[in-house]
Amino acid sequence: KAGVTQTPRYLIKTRGQQVTLSCSPISGHRSVSWYQQTPGQGLQFLFEYFSETQRNKGNFPGRFSGRQFSNSRSEMNVSTLELGDSALYLCASQGGNTEAFFGQGTRLTVV
Amino acid sequence: GQNIDQPTEMTATEGAIVQINCTYQTSGFNGLFWYQQHAGEAPTFLSYNVLDGLEEKGRFSSFLSRSKGYSYLLLKELQMKDSASYLCAVRDQSDSWGKLQFGAGTQVVVTP
Repeated sequence: KAGVTQTPRYLIKTRGQQVTLSCSPISGHRSVSWYQQTPGQGLQFLFEYFSETQRNKGNFPGRFSGRQFSNSRSEMNVSTLELGDSALYLCASQGGNTEAFFGQGTRLTVV
Repeated sequence: GQNIDQPTEMTATEGAIVQINCTYQTSGFNGLFWYQQHAGEAPTFLSYNVLDGLEEKGRFSSFLSRSKGYSYLLLKELQMKDSASYLCAVRDQSDSWGKLQFGAGTQVVVTP
């Protein structure tokens, strides 16, 4: 059974640009969550999608957005990038009310 | 507000036992999770507690007391590969499987 797949693994972007990250959950899982991990703030919840609907959202500015497709694959977008957006972005897949399985993450560096 | 506290760092010797405590204050409770994260890698699931008591899984055990807002992760027979960050996380809503509140993590250093 394939795990959670995130692409790309690494990205370097310039301030002001926008970026799109992709996540393919475990087959059969309909819930996908996104997290931002930085050394200073730790792991912070961005949003959760379930059956193409955003079910919950964390305390991040509107520059952070996401969506989920009918095959449960999800994308998150960050517009007008800032230096502080440099982080590891993790996607998690859930099949129910149990554990979340994380992908390897996308390391975003904003210069 | 939401608060999940765990020690910043712990050091132990190979073969020993280490207990990582986690206390939480959240608006709701629907499960507590422990994850292991090696540097530069994704968190990997270790344990899940939703009812009070001890869950044992090989060398790892996790305990939960909901009335005290307290959990611990016990690592037995420590190995060098157990050097990692251990994250305590709480799911505070029953209708949101994926929204976890994470502690800052406990860095465990295993020495020879």
